[in-house]
Amino acid sequence: AQKVTQAQTEISVVEKEDVTLDCVYETRDTTYYLFWYKQPPSGELVFLIRRNSFDEQNEISGRYSWNFQKSTSSFNFTITASQVVDSAVYFCALSEIASGGYNKLIFGAGTRLAVHP
Amino acid sequence: DSGVTQTPKHLITATGQRVTLRCSPRSGDLSVYWYQQSLDQGLQFLIQYYNGEERAKGNILERFSAQQFPDLHSELNLSSLELGDSALYFCASSVGLAGAGDTQYFGPGTRLTVL
Repeated sequence: AQKVTQAQTEISVVEKEDVTLDCVYETRDTTYYLFWYKQPPSGELVFLIRRNSFDEQNEISGRYSWNFQKSTSSFNFTITASQVVDSAVYFCALSEIASGGYNKLIFGAGTRLAVHP
Repeated sequence: DSGVTQTPKHLITATGQRVTLRCSPRSGDLSVYWYQQSLDQGLQFLIQYYNGEERAKGNILERFSAQQFPDLHSELNLSSLELGDSALYFCASSVGLAGAGDTQYFGPGTRLTVL
């Protein structure tokens, strides 16, 4: 069965620290997609990144970077020089795809990040 | 702003009642998804529609139903409400390319409180 595990329930850091959020996934598919979403205190879910299973290149976007390793089934997210505005719950998700355009997201339990001034 | 709109933002009702949540997808998106976020279950997929047709079902109760209209907006109907149905209900939309794992953009959610 497909599954996403975010073992870190809560992380607390001081501003300007680097922080890594872990995500481990399970799937039997050879083609799949991984996502990260951010849920700030206001409650909406904000898309951060989408990565397909054939692209293992790491990605950097400003202070955000993602490390995808198929060998360990991990898709970790690092925030460099964290800021108070980064405080949110972060969700890792796996896209389960089947014929006919079936496309659902399986979410991890989320990691609550608190960045203190 | 994702471009996905949901109404109402908040809904408070009593057990046994029926409510309707509404979602308008991003312009050009053909697929609509509904998810439920609760403290004990986390984020759970409920149902997917593509261009008016039901595409997939997840952990959706029989008391819940949904539809997607010709103008592509969608409604999620929740009936015989129970205390445990209190949750944040999200709608998401995507282009709808089959098998592409296309990105789902989420609306702001409807917070349902059942008293």
